[in-house]
Order: sequence, then C-alpha cells, then structure tokens
Amino acid sequence: AQSVTQLDSQVPVFEEAPVELRCNYSSSVSVYLFWYVQYPNQGLQLLLKYLSGSTLVKGINGFEAEFNKSQTSFHLRKPSVHISDTAEYFCAVSVRPNRDDKIIFGKGTRLHILP
Amino acid sequence: EAQVTQNPRYLITVTGKKLTVTCSQNMNHEYMSWYRQDPGLGLRQIYYSMNVEVTDKGDVPEGYKVSRKEKRNFPLILESPSPNQTSLYFCASSSSSGIYNEQFFGPGTRLTVL
Repeated sequence: AQSVTQLDSQVPVFEEAPVELRCNYSSSVSVYLFWYVQYPNQGLQLLLKYLSGSTLVKGINGFEAEFNKSQTSFHLRKPSVHISDTAEYFCAVSVRPNRDDKIIFGKGTRLHILP
Repeated sequence: EAQVTQNPRYLITVTGKKLTVTCSQNMNHEYMSWYRQDPGLGLRQIYYSMNVEVTDKGDVPEGYKVSRKEKRNFPLILESPSPNQTSLYFCASSSSSGIYNEQFFGPGTRLTVL
C-alpha cells in the first residue's frame, strides 16, 4: 500500500535561516508528488509538484524540492525563511492503482519561524 | 474569481441529526474530493468523484455519503453524525485527473458533533 511519511511533526527555525522539511513515500507504482501549504485558518494551496523530468522542482515563495527516486524522498527546502512562512506543510503522493485516482497526504509538518 | 466554496463554515450539531455540507466549484473541474483533517493525522480522503455520477471511497468513508448529480456540486452527507466525526472538513477540486493536477481547496468546514 502507498504511504507518505513526514518525518518531523514540527520544525522550529530562526528567521532568515535555511529549512528542510522531509518527506518519504512508499509505492510500488509510479507516483506524482506534491507539496501543499496551509496558512492559519485557511485551506491548502499548492507550493510545487513533480510529475516527471527534472528532479529539482521550483515552487512559489522561494521553495524548491528534489525528487530522489532511489531514496523515495521529496524533501522541501528554502534557503532563507521569513516570518510569513509560518504554516503547516503537507507532502502528498498521487498514484493510480487499478485506474482509480488516489491522493495520499502526509500528516503535516508545522513550521515555526523564530524571530 | 475561481474558487471552491463550502457551506456552512462552522456547524455544531447533536448526535444522530442528519446534516449536509455543500461544496461548489466554478472552474468546470471534473475531479472533486472530500477530506477530513484531524490533529496528528493530517488529511484523510473520505470520498472522491472523477465525474458526474462517478464516486468512489477514499480511506475513511464510513459514516459518510456523497453524490455528484451536477459537475459543480459535491455535497457531503452525514446521515447520523457521531462525536468521532467532529473534525475540519475540506472539499477540493481539480481539472481532469486529480492525480496530475493541482487541487484547489475550499476554506473548510469545522464540524462539532455533541
């Protein structure tokens, strides 16, 4: 069965410092990978996605992620965080077993930006 | 403005009293989905629909029903709510196949079942 693991439930980081949010997945079929962000009291919005091609994907707000097939990972990075990046981040995997679309979300990583 | 709307945004109800949470999108999307979000559990898919009159179970469908009679609407029905269905619910939509494309999320419905 497919699954998504976000290794950290909370990540504190100082403002202007770099951050990496980790995501690992397990699947026996081809996957498509997403990172979504949820700002306080809002719905989720897409940060970036990997479907195919270059393994380094750039998204909005200065975020990027790298798809590593051998390590089944899709870690999210930002070189310098801002207070406005305070949010919960979700990694998601899409698969298509038996022609049915299934989208699986990780449990989320809450990013705390320290002044 | 392209958007997904949900109503109501907040709802407090009692055990066993049937309720419906509406979801509507104005982007002509084929794929729609319902999720529930619980602390420490992330988002879990309840039901999804790949097109009109086509619905399928997600990971946690027990206690919920859906229908897709029109492309734009995808209501979530709780026939007999129970306290363990207290949660934050999100509706989402995307164009064509949901697995390739960005999902657009509604603002959420916070449901409390007493």
